[in-house]
Amino acid sequence: DSGVTQTPKHLITATGQRVTLRCSPRSGDLSVYWYQQSLDQGLQFLIQYYNGEERAKGNILERFSAQQFPDLHSELNLSSLELGDSALYFCASTTGESFLDYGYTFGSGTRLTVV
Amino acid sequence: GENVEQHPSTLSVQEGDSAVIKCTYSDSASNYFPWYKQELGKRPQLIIDIRSNVGEKKDQRIAVTLNKTAKHFSLHITETQPEDSAVYFCAARRNDMRFGAGTRLTVKP
Repeated sequence: DSGVTQTPKHLITATGQRVTLRCSPRSGDLSVYWYQQSLDQGLQFLIQYYNGEERAKGNILERFSAQQFPDLHSELNLSSLELGDSALYFCASTTGESFLDYGYTFGSGTRLTVV
Repeated sequence: GENVEQHPSTLSVQEGDSAVIKCTYSDSASNYFPWYKQELGKRPQLIIDIRSNVGEKKDQRIAVTLNKTAKHFSLHITETQPEDSAVYFCAARRNDMRFGAGTRLTVKP
């Protein structure tokens, strides 16, 4: 157990629907990062939050949004889902600010299947 | 933003041989370079990392080298074993972590 908790583990939904993925960081970690990994693809950075505030944005579609709550858990909202959104979604957490050199601890991921 | 390129995309070696995976990065301000191993359907796990003030780091059969001038870093696995078979990702970090596309390593017994 990495200490980073992601729920649900699996999600199957239809095109056009909206889903919410949840991530609870390790105790004490303030930063949460979201990544998308499509089949046989690398990890595409979506967005980072630090202590409730958006800190960095990657290739995140406008249909996707995220937030980090006061208890530091984060949610990734995916709307108007398309078949191509099917992927593994990982979150990772780190202790501190972006300038600190900490390796990520990844959660186990949420496998989203859009049918 | 940072762009990380990783080669090769697939690598097949015989058990006991060495494997080398190379990455280049674009942002000279990147200061942290981790490597992750991902087994099928599982989360990426950090196996070794190197900071920009270090040229080489070893941990048993795994080593990483960094050439800041050339902006490239490499993962070296010696005496490979079948359980080393996985996808390996390099990454470079300045403000956020950008990953290479991954290398699928297969170690044949």
